[in-house]
Amino acid sequence: NAGVTQTPKFQVLKTGQSMTLQCAQDMNHNSMYWYRQDPGMGLRLIYYSASEGTTDKGEVPNGYNVSRLNKREFSLRLESAAPSQTSVYFCASQQGALYNEQFFGPGTRLTVL
Amino acid sequence: GENVEQHPSTLSVQEGDSAVIKCTYSDSASNYFPWYKQELGKRPQLIIDIRSNVGEKKDQRIAVTLNKTAKHFSLHITETQPEDSAVYFCAASEGWGGGNKLTFGTGTQLKVEL
Repeated sequence: NAGVTQTPKFQVLKTGQSMTLQCAQDMNHNSMYWYRQDPGMGLRLIYYSASEGTTDKGEVPNGYNVSRLNKREFSLRLESAAPSQTSVYFCASQQGALYNEQFFGPGTRLTVL
Repeated sequence: GENVEQHPSTLSVQEGDSAVIKCTYSDSASNYFPWYKQELGKRPQLIIDIRSNVGEKKDQRIAVTLNKTAKHFSLHITETQPEDSAVYFCAASEGWGGGNKLTFGTGTQLKVEL
């Protein structure tokens, strides 16, 4: 099993450009999450999804959109990138129940110039 | 919403010594408290967790304690080894029907010196 995979690993954008970060999991998990990690600020939840077709906002959703394409895939889209969105983005998945471990992907390092 | 504070931000210990990292949370509804370890350039990985109906949990050299009244929880690592060097994050969770919305602390950089 590959677990949680993310593409791309690295990306550089110019202000105003758009892009989609891809995430997929092969553990048959119901719940998926997107976090961003900034120096000195820990990880912050952007969006999460309990199942295909359902998504909800987390702590810092502004400037992002998400799509739960199917049970395996959960994408994060930046419509008009801003320098404040320079960060490391982590996707995570969890078997949908309280107290189960969230498994993280390897991350995408995004720089917006 | 939930707010999690974590201290210290950096911690340096000698190999074989113990390390303690402390976190406080604000929302009394939080009921799940995981700890993640993140090595440089890698993904966070769960090392131990505790639920709100338990006061202490141990797994070999790692233990976590929870004081619900005071809203704080701590990670204890005994007999530290160089491979324990990493950033450690605490988190508190508001459970929902499908899982856990984690609010993370700001991390502790642990350095174990030979």
